[in-house]
Amino acid sequence: GNSVTQMEGPVTLSEEAFLTINCTYTATGYPSLFWYVQYPGEGLQLLLKATKADDKGSNKGFEATYRKETTSFHLEKGSVQVSDSAVYFCALPSNTGKLIFGQGTTLQVKP
Amino acid sequence: DTGVSQDPRHKITKRGQNVTFRCDPISEHNRLYWYRQTLGQGPEFLTYFQNEAQLEKSRLLSDRFSAERPKGSFSTLEIQRTEQGDSAMYLCASSRGEGSSYNEQFFGPGTRLTVL
Repeated sequence: GNSVTQMEGPVTLSEEAFLTINCTYTATGYPSLFWYVQYPGEGLQLLLKATKADDKGSNKGFEATYRKETTSFHLEKGSVQVSDSAVYFCALPSNTGKLIFGQGTTLQVKP
Repeated sequence: DTGVSQDPRHKITKRGQNVTFRCDPISEHNRLYWYRQTLGQGPEFLTYFQNEAQLEKSRLLSDRFSAERPKGSFSTLEIQRTEQGDSAMYLCASSRGEGSSYNEQFFGPGTRLTVL
């Protein structure tokens, strides 16, 4: 079945540093790929998505490119802010529509 | 606010008690999902409904768990004879969808259950 492997955290960065959170997947076919974010005390929010190979999803300065060759969907941001501190989840849908999540990566950005 | 809502937000109970959680999806969404999230892990699928039909249940959903969506609108998740291992955040999500199509799922704030 479909699965997601996400780099373990926590990741601690200084403000304005470059961020990469790795995500690789195993899937039947070419499902859409997602990054969700969970800010402290809040529910999951969709951060960005890509629906087919070579698509780049972007939102709030974050980007991720759907790489079929490396089965990856790494999350990047050029300059993180304190307000980006949250837990980030990579996810993909199963063939029945439920979402399969990675274990999450906690990002802490220090001023 | 027209997002997904869940009630209660927090529930503390003693082992062996029954608890029930409610989820109100976005009104035009026909699909409703329940997930469970334990500390340090990603959400794990429990079950989902399309309209009032429960179409899939995870093996995680033991016979102590039951979910309903009687009129295809709100849903309830009941846990009978709670155990300490049931302590987790229970998340509800909703989406549009037909057949095997996938559409974005919108999540509620979750219900945090603590079993003492």
